[in-house]
Amino acid sequence: EVQLVESGGALVQPGGSLRLSCAASGFTFSDYWMSWVRQAPGKGLEWVASIKEDGSEKYYVDSVKGRFTISKDNAKNTLFLQVNSLRVEDTAVYYCAKAGLAVSRDYWGQGTLVTVSS
Amino acid sequence: QSALTQPPSASGSPGQSVTISCTGTSSDVGGYNYVSWYQQYPGKAPKLMIYEVSKRPSGVPDRFSGSKSGNTASLTVSGLRADDEADYYCSSYAGSGNLVFGGGTKLTVL
Repeated sequence: EVQLVESGGALVQPGGSLRLSCAASGFTFSDYWMSWVRQAPGKGLEWVASIKEDGSEKYYVDSVKGRFTISKDNAKNTLFLQVNSLRVEDTAVYYCAKAGLAVSRDYWGQGTLVTVSS
Repeated sequence: QSALTQPPSASGSPGQSVTISCTGTSSDVGGYNYVSWYQQYPGKAPKLMIYEVSKRPSGVPDRFSGSKSGNTASLTVSGLRADDEADYYCSSYAGSGNLVFGGGTKLTVL
């Protein structure tokens, strides 16, 4: 059974940093693209970043480029998102998602909440 | 990287059909057959319902179907049931590794 478990969310002040983690199990982690998708309170889904199976390619939504870094440790079956220079508008539940067929996201974690507030 | 356009709400009575649209551009929806649809209940993670425009993952009822014409994709839910009441989001590949989501549609079963 595929499981994705996020952690690392917290209340942080503007300008602060966090490292989000997503522990994966139930599939061969090193064979799949992975992504982070966020959802601000009461709002829709927003793709944040994606990383290729071996970590050699990374892509970001424009609003986080230069501030967020996606990475994956295939030996530890863990996906990461380093979030720096946080802004109030980064407040959201952050989901990790496994790539499925045809660029879909077929499995999602339960999410971890990042709140940016002074 | 502009969001795809979905109607904020849709509704139908039990047993009826409802169609939700998702409009993008030739750079996303119109340019690739990589449209997916997700169902999300309040406080829960999204669930994949449709991928590659019209394909259903194992376990998704055939009451859910997808299609695309030009820059607009559509999700049709037939034989509406009370537990279909949820938020629905479309997503498309937008080139260069980017994904884009729609703003979401709240489906109400009357």
